[in-house]
Amino acid sequence: ETGVTQSPTHLIKTRGQQVTLRCSSQSGHNTVSWYQQALGQGPQFIFQYYREEENGRGNFPPRFSGLQFPNYSSELNVNALELDDSALYLCASSLPYSEGQGSPLHFGNGTRLTVT
Amino acid sequence: AQKVTQAQTEISVVEKEDVTLDCVYETRDTTYYLFWYKQPPSGELVFLIRRNSFDEQNEISGRYSWNFQKSTSSFNFTITASQVVDSAVYFCALSEAEGFQKLVFGTGTRLLVSP
Repeated sequence: ETGVTQSPTHLIKTRGQQVTLRCSSQSGHNTVSWYQQALGQGPQFIFQYYREEENGRGNFPPRFSGLQFPNYSSELNVNALELDDSALYLCASSLPYSEGQGSPLHFGNGTRLTVT
Repeated sequence: AQKVTQAQTEISVVEKEDVTLDCVYETRDTTYYLFWYKQPPSGELVFLIRRNSFDEQNEISGRYSWNFQKSTSSFNFTITASQVVDSAVYFCALSEAEGFQKLVFGTGTRLLVSP
């Protein structure tokens, strides 16, 4: 069973730039979620994709956007980067509760983004 | 609104000591799930347990045990005979029990186990 994989592992960007982070979901999972984890904090929900549609969003501005592809992999895009966007970005895959009991979120290792 | 509070920021113990990590939650949902995740230095969040709000039975898995008390809105996690490999940040989280899993996390408790 292939787990959740994220790329790149680390990234350094300059304020105002744009960044794309990638995630491959665990085999069999059709739901992908993205979380932002600032240093010393718990992860914060950004948004979730189910069958290529965004089906939920946390308290993040529109410059945070995403995509899910037919193979259930996903991208997180952040435009006009700000210093506060520096964080660990975690991707998680799962099955929704509507599909049986669903499954717990399984997380990748994350992408550490530094904005200077 | 949902909220998870982990009041203990950091706990230090010596190997073989027992340690309990506290978690208190708030929700208006009548059905919900509670979770514990472990985050080692590598960054990955490792799933430990999911508990349905209807199931208040305590659970034991090896050295790990969980005490769910709906009356006090708490879901505490105990590690018995701690080991150095248990050193990590532990997060408690909450989600509604329908639709899709959108977790609300606490701020985490850093556990340091020294030899």
